[in-house]
This record gives sequence, structure tokens and C-alpha cells, in this order.
Amino acid sequence: DAGVIQSPRHEVTEMGQEVTLRCKPISGHNSLFWYRQTMMRGLELLIYFNNNVPIDDSGMPEDRFSAKMPNASFSTLKIQPSEPRDSAVYFCASTISGGAPDTQYFGPGTRLTVL
Amino acid sequence: EDQVTQSPEALRLQEGESSSLNCSYTVSGLRGLFWYRQDPGKGPEFLFTLYSAGEEKEKERLKATLTKKESFLHITAPKPEDSATYLCAALDSGSARQLTFGSGTQLTVLP
Repeated sequence: DAGVIQSPRHEVTEMGQEVTLRCKPISGHNSLFWYRQTMMRGLELLIYFNNNVPIDDSGMPEDRFSAKMPNASFSTLKIQPSEPRDSAVYFCASTISGGAPDTQYFGPGTRLTVL
Repeated sequence: EDQVTQSPEALRLQEGESSSLNCSYTVSGLRGLFWYRQDPGKGPEFLFTLYSAGEEKEKERLKATLTKKESFLHITAPKPEDSATYLCAALDSGSARQLTFGSGTQLTVLP
């Protein structure tokens, strides 16, 4: 069974450019999370969706960041315009919401470098 | 505010030398305590979920335990392939599905 799929795996761009990261959650999962990981701040939750609806985006750092989930099998995280401080590894995770605490399964991540 | 603190930040062990990693948490009501393993260049890989104080779970050389304020990840007779960063995360009963992660313990097992 395929896990969470993210693309691209690596992205190098120049400051000011638009960046779009993509995620395909595990089939049947109805909650999706976007995280950012840096050495300084560790893993930070940016936004999460439940049944394709954004529930909490309080972790999104600025208006330059936006996320969408047009259907149950696809989500994007967009940064426009990008800045060097956005350089990090971005992870997508998914889970099935239910009665027991939800186990989140992570994708391989996208390493973003903004020059 | 929910907080999760892991110690030590880094740990070097000889192969076969058992030890424990610590995760202390401050949440208003714990719904679950999660342990993940993360290898360089990869996403966190799920290991365990613990729900209540006194609970223990085991997987190969790893055993996770939970008290009301801490969780421990015990590593028995580790092998070099156990080298990784181990992350713990807490799910607060009032936080819907938002995990609060610790900063991790980087474990190195020397042959």
C-alpha cells in the first residue's frame, strides 16, 4: 500500500519566485497536515485539513503561504513570493480521524532551498 | 501552552549498550503520546502510541513506557541500525488533532 506521496523531493528556487509543494495522502485517510522542519524550530504544524476543509491555519507563518485541498487525494502548499528564510523541509502527513487518538503517517518530505 | 521536552539532545552508545530516552510533556489532558523514528533525509516513521499512564509497548529492541508526566523509550542491546533521531509528540485532548513535537534525541550506535 502506498504511503503519503510528496513532490517534488527537492526544490531550489530564487527569492521572489512562487513555489508549489504537492501531497497525496494515504487512500482513505480524511485528515491531512502540513509541517515544516528546521534545525532551529524542529517540526512545526502549518495547517491541517479534515475532510478537505481547512480546520486550523494558525501555524501558517505569513500571507505568503497558502494551502488548498481540492479533493480527498490531493493537497498543495504554495509560497508566493518565496524568501530565503522559507528554506526548510516540508512534510505532509495524513491520518484517519476516529475515536482513538489519530496516528499521523508522514511523507518523505520536500527539501526547499530559496537562494 | 502544550510543551514537549526531550533529553538528551544527542546520545552515543556502543553496540549492545542499553539506555533510555526521555520525553516530558505538559498538556492539559493527554489523549495520546506518540514516538517516531526519523532517519536522515526521510520523514518521521511511526513507532508507538501510548494512551494512559502505566501503559507499555514493545517493538524489537524498543520499549516505550508512559507516566503522568513523562515517557521513556528504552533501547535494549542496540545495534548500529538503530541510529536515528527519535521524536516524541503529545496530543492534547483540547487540540483536536494537532500534535506537539519535541525536538528529538539523535541516537548514534557505534559498532
